[in-house]
Amino acid sequence: DAKTTQPTSMDCAEGRAANLPCNHSTISGNEYVYWYRQIHSQGPQYIIHGLKNNETNEMASLIITEDRKSSTLILPHATLRDTAVYYCIVRPTQGGSEKLVFGKGTKLTVNP
Amino acid sequence: NAGVMQNPRHLVRRRGQEARLRCSPMKGHSHVYWYRQLPEEGLKFMVYLQKENIIDESGMPKERFSAEFPKEGPSILRIQQVVRGDSAAYFCASSQAHSNQPQHFGDGTRLSIL
Repeated sequence: DAKTTQPTSMDCAEGRAANLPCNHSTISGNEYVYWYRQIHSQGPQYIIHGLKNNETNEMASLIITEDRKSSTLILPHATLRDTAVYYCIVRPTQGGSEKLVFGKGTKLTVNP
Repeated sequence: NAGVMQNPRHLVRRRGQEARLRCSPMKGHSHVYWYRQLPEEGLKFMVYLQKENIIDESGMPKERFSAEFPKEGPSILRIQQVVRGDSAAYFCASSQAHSNQPQHFGDGTRLSIL
């Protein structure tokens, strides 16, 4: 079972920031937080991952709370092409399974 | 810089036939993973392979399914004697050898069983 909890769906206006929350209250000290998204009928796309520090790349920012029990993925200027299902996944850094355990994710709809 | 390549994109088989799905990892990636997505469901892990070795097959059905990643050539997911319930999208992902490297996915093979 997935170790994360996400809202089922969210809406966002085009051009505005999309903030997608994720709870991972049972996360262990050696587990990373990964974010992927799946646009309809395509393969999952890697977005970003982090351990405890906030991370930013060309696609998004990842904000992890100090206690690491939750995180937020931020798409700074959402476009219609960002409409997708977003998955938050925790994964061990080493010594654990390499597999990704996908939950149901958040269906983000970006509206014009 | 080519991504993960899967072929065929669509595959139609009749019940009882064999299905072979191929996956070429990204350049420089030595780890391969297979996932299955049944209609209207989430992705489920099937198997994790390194060159010539199966590392974790905890998600593979006990019968009819097998996977390999030979020293040369693509990874193959083989389904023998297919049944209607095998209809799904099968995704392959690859990653570099170092831990904490993200998995990058292909666009999948849609398998339909008549």
